[in-house]
Amino acid sequence: DIQMTQSPSSLSASVGDRVTITCRASQGISNYLAWYQQKPGKVPKLLIYAASTLQSGVPSRFSGSGSGTDFTLTISSLQPEDVATYYCQKYITAPWTFGQGTRVAIK
Amino acid sequence: EVQLVESGGGLVQPGGSLRLSCAASGFTLNRYWMSWVRQPPGKGLEWVANIKQDEKEKYYVESVRGRFTISRDNAKNSLYLQMNSLRAEDTALYYCARSGLQWNFPHDSWGQGTLVTVSS
Repeated sequence: DIQMTQSPSSLSASVGDRVTITCRASQGISNYLAWYQQKPGKVPKLLIYAASTLQSGVPSRFSGSGSGTDFTLTISSLQPEDVATYYCQKYITAPWTFGQGTRVAIK
Repeated sequence: EVQLVESGGGLVQPGGSLRLSCAASGFTLNRYWMSWVRQPPGKGLEWVANIKQDEKEKYYVESVRGRFTISRDNAKNSLYLQMNSLRAEDTALYYCARSGLQWNFPHDSWGQGTLVTVSS
């Protein structure tokens, strides 16, 4: 099975900072990569699919890039409401594995 | 508005069985692939299974294959997960999630989840 590895596992940044989270697949997955945001105590929310397509209603400060094995999620200007755990997921073939998550906090 | 409402969770002994249900509304269930995703307390997300619109394709994570069965009843707007031979490591919040019209689309809508606890 293809493994998904996120880094870092957690980060702390100031409001307004640019934040980047990385997701690496153990084999190429083309662009079949999604990013989710899960706020504390809440249901996961789809942010990005096809590696770089923003889901409807998601603020434009979120962006995704990458193809093959290396992907990034960028928050261009971190806001207090962005405190959450972020997960990548590959969906090219079963199992649709998630990364282990990256917890984002405000410094 | 898309709504997914899970039910059927609870406390069960190791080796026991449980059947989860997910009631879908606000969209035409028979047009979408559907999935189950779980989250152990305080841990990350784990994809469990998904099912094609006509039930002709079903996929499972290795750890549940042979023990869990995903099914659906489009006429009743419902998705199910039959869980047998439950283990302590199956303890988690189980989410019902909508996928796409085709197989290659992730989960754009989620239910609130139903908690399954496997313990003696």
